[in-house]
Amino acid sequence: QVQLQESGPGLVKPSETLSLTCTVSGGSISTYYWTWIRQPPGKGLEWIGYFYYTGNTNYNPSLNSRVTMSADTSKNQFSLRLSSVTAADTAVYYCARRIAVRPIYAFDIWGRGTMVTVSS
Amino acid sequence: AIQMTQSPSSLSASVGDRVTITCRASQGIKNDLGWYQQKPGQAPKLLIYGASSLQSGVPSRFSGRGSGTDFTLTISSLQPEDFATYYCLQDYSYPLTFGPGTKVDIK
Repeated sequence: QVQLQESGPGLVKPSETLSLTCTVSGGSISTYYWTWIRQPPGKGLEWIGYFYYTGNTNYNPSLNSRVTMSADTSKNQFSLRLSSVTAADTAVYYCARRIAVRPIYAFDIWGRGTMVTVSS
Repeated sequence: AIQMTQSPSSLSASVGDRVTITCRASQGIKNDLGWYQQKPGQAPKLLIYGASSLQSGVPSRFSGRGSGTDFTLTISSLQPEDFATYYCLQDYSYPLTFGPGTKVDIK
């Protein structure tokens, strides 16, 4: 059974870089699309982007210039870096597995999420 | 980016009620739409993909319909564990976008 677990600092200072890692257990990251999604407190969900095992990435244009995603296949982990953070980046950050093979396009497995607060 | 809207934004219902939530896309997305359920403090859970296909393990009281721009999620007989917020997601083009959510609470 595939499981995802986010990890990283819960507090980041304004203007610094947020770094999170998602560890995949029970399966390999060498397939599927590995995705980050966030949810500000009391608000809705926002797709941040994905990393595909070939190295292909796709980011939300609203964050494009600040986002970098990568993976370490030897550790079965993928990562998110978000630079120049502000209070608006305070959110629960989820990693999720996306299936994108017709007829199935969906986020079928999610991590529990990790709260990141941006504050000095 | 494709904009997703949902209606209503919230509703109150009783156990056993039939509930329908509507999702609309700002442009056609074929049937590339999913529905997710989120309970407080939990990650979203996939209910429906491809507009109408039930994810494995999801009770059959959940159903989805629609194509193009208009979609619905129906819960045929609301159960206590169904009180949650429901989000639609368009999976047709990047950036992927979620609807704002519909909160279903107890009347």
